[in-house]
Amino acid sequence: EPEVTQTPSHQVTQMGQEVILRCVPISNHLYFYWYRQILGQKVEFLVSFYNNEISEKSEIFDDQFSVERPDGSNFTLKIRSTKLEDSAMYFCASTQTGPGNTGELFFGEGSRLTVL
Amino acid sequence: QQPVQSPQAVILREGEDAVINCSSSKALYSVHWYRQKHGEAPVFLMILLKGGEQKGHDKISASFNEKKQQSSLYLTASQLSYSGTYFCGTELTGNQFYFGTGTSLTVIP
Repeated sequence: EPEVTQTPSHQVTQMGQEVILRCVPISNHLYFYWYRQILGQKVEFLVSFYNNEISEKSEIFDDQFSVERPDGSNFTLKIRSTKLEDSAMYFCASTQTGPGNTGELFFGEGSRLTVL
Repeated sequence: QQPVQSPQAVILREGEDAVINCSSSKALYSVHWYRQKHGEAPVFLMILLKGGEQKGHDKISASFNEKKQQSSLYLTASQLSYSGTYFCGTELTGNQFYFGTGTSLTVIP
């Protein structure tokens, strides 16, 4: 069964360092998302991406965040200068259909980011 | 912007029923329901696309009241495997897909 894969599963970094989290969405999916979940809390929308550009972003997704689809398969989230409060689980998700009829979101297993 | 769920947490004995509510201050175009086990990713349960729609999946079903901007998830004859956190999800404007505040469900023997 096709699945969304994320790497790394866990990353520990020092405050101020740059981090890149990687995702490989399901191959025929067109819409991609990043979510953040601080331990034990809600799943927070960060950004959605379609047709090689950001389609929507939340207020959490400020200038320290960026997303890219550098090739036909990878979808990356970059955090430029990490802060302690960036420590969280980051989930990538993809779906085949988008606005107006968003289909089932398929999630990766998540990347746990720990900022020291 | 985020849908609000109630209750925040519920503890059930095996075999008991539960209802989880999801309410939005903005228009709901569709409602998704997901379950997340501890330390895992959310897993899709079902989607309701139309007001008045009801769906069932084993002993888990849901309804969608478009006019009231609400959806409810019904778990009947709960099993230990139902334990987890349940999230509703909804699309706001454009391609913003937000999850609700979450409901922690614990089923005990």
